[in-house]
Amino acid sequence: LAKTTQPISMDSYEGQEVNITCSHNNIATNDYITWYQQFPSQGPRFIIQGYKTKVTNEVASLFIPADRKSSTLSLPRVSLSDTAVYYCLVVPRGGAGSYQLTFGKGTKLSVIP
Amino acid sequence: GAVVSQHPSWVICKSGTSVKIECRSLDFQATTMFWYRQFPKQSLMLMATSNEGSKATYEQGVEKDKFLINHASLTLSTLTVTSAHPEDSSFYICSAVGRTDTQYFGPGTRLTVL
Repeated sequence: LAKTTQPISMDSYEGQEVNITCSHNNIATNDYITWYQQFPSQGPRFIIQGYKTKVTNEVASLFIPADRKSSTLSLPRVSLSDTAVYYCLVVPRGGAGSYQLTFGKGTKLSVIP
Repeated sequence: GAVVSQHPSWVICKSGTSVKIECRSLDFQATTMFWYRQFPKQSLMLMATSNEGSKATYEQGVEKDKFLINHASLTLSTLTVTSAHPEDSSFYICSAVGRTDTQYFGPGTRLTVL
């Protein structure tokens, strides 16, 4: 399973755009990139998923360069309620180990008033 | 859509007793569900993969006789912690793979063993 590396923590002021970058140098052809958000004592919440280029939904954008060795989660205009741990994961599709998620330490985002 | 529920949300039990945790996919069918454990200030650790109608696959170091998993239907998987001990106290989270191949997580179950 591909290993991911992301910053341990980030601080941001309310209303700013936050970009969290994740590196996954050993990503395989069949792997997708997925981001989850987790609040204390809650299960992770799916944010966004992509394979290449750019994906956008009502919550965030995900930028994936052509070599797919990294990805950037972009949260527009964060609010205090976005304070959480954000996990970047590489998800294998097809074959043994499909969908198995290996969680790293995540990035603890703190939004400051 | 894609809601996963867990029951109970928290449970306190005495050492040596067994506890059953249910995981349900409410609006979709899931042939594959996963069980994770999360200790305070740590990340989620995959315990086992639960496939409907077949035996669960356990991660290395997870005792299959202690953590019994039953995936009896396409919407229900159960985790039974047998002969629980204080070191089993943790936050247990399940997930289910939905139609779009996205994994959706339950809200978690806080287990405290006295």
